[in-house]
Amino acid sequence: AQTVTQSQPEMSVQEAETVTLSCTYDTSENNYYLFWYKQPPSRQMILVIRQEAYKQQNATENRFSVNFQKAAKSFSLKISDSQLGDTAMYFCAFREETSGSRLTFGEGTQLTVNP
Amino acid sequence: GAGVSQSPSNKVTEKGKDVELRCDPISGHTALYWYRQSLGQGLEFLIYFQGNSAPDKSGLPSDRFSAERTGGSVSTLTIQRTQQEDSAVYLCASSRGSTAWGGTIYFGEGSWLTVV
Repeated sequence: AQTVTQSQPEMSVQEAETVTLSCTYDTSENNYYLFWYKQPPSRQMILVIRQEAYKQQNATENRFSVNFQKAAKSFSLKISDSQLGDTAMYFCAFREETSGSRLTFGEGTQLTVNP
Repeated sequence: GAGVSQSPSNKVTEKGKDVELRCDPISGHTALYWYRQSLGQGLEFLIYFQGNSAPDKSGLPSDRFSAERTGGSVSTLTIQRTQQEDSAVYLCASSRGSTAWGGTIYFGEGSWLTVV
């Protein structure tokens, strides 16, 4: 069974600083996709960044980047120059290429950016 | 609209009543998903529709839950004889296709169901 683990229920960071959110997953597949979603108080899930397992290069999107360690089954999210608007719940998610249909989510990390 | 639209935004119902939650996916998206998010928890997969294929219902927690998708577009999630443990946010999402990469999943804002 696929599992996604986020070991940090809550984290906080000062504005303009850098923070890293951890995620590990378990799969027997070789081809899969990893995502970080952000859920602000509005409840809408917003895609932050995604990574294909067959790509060795870590994905980056502006201030957001990932550290993808396939052998260790680790997929951490780094947020640089944190902004107050980054305050949200962050979910790591996993999707196998073969299953196609569902995303499996971690339990989430509540990130608070302090002024 | 440009995004996934869900209604109602909030619903309070009495235990034992039936409720219907509606989802209007992004135009042109053939795949539609329902997830449930209980307070303080992650997302739990419920059901998945892809085009005219038989839906993947493997995540539905009991036979009180059902969903349909009419005309390949709008979907309705129905919960019969609601129980207090059904209280949660029900999130709908859609994507362009079943292939994992071409189908980045976009979520609606959810329907917050409270059973009293």
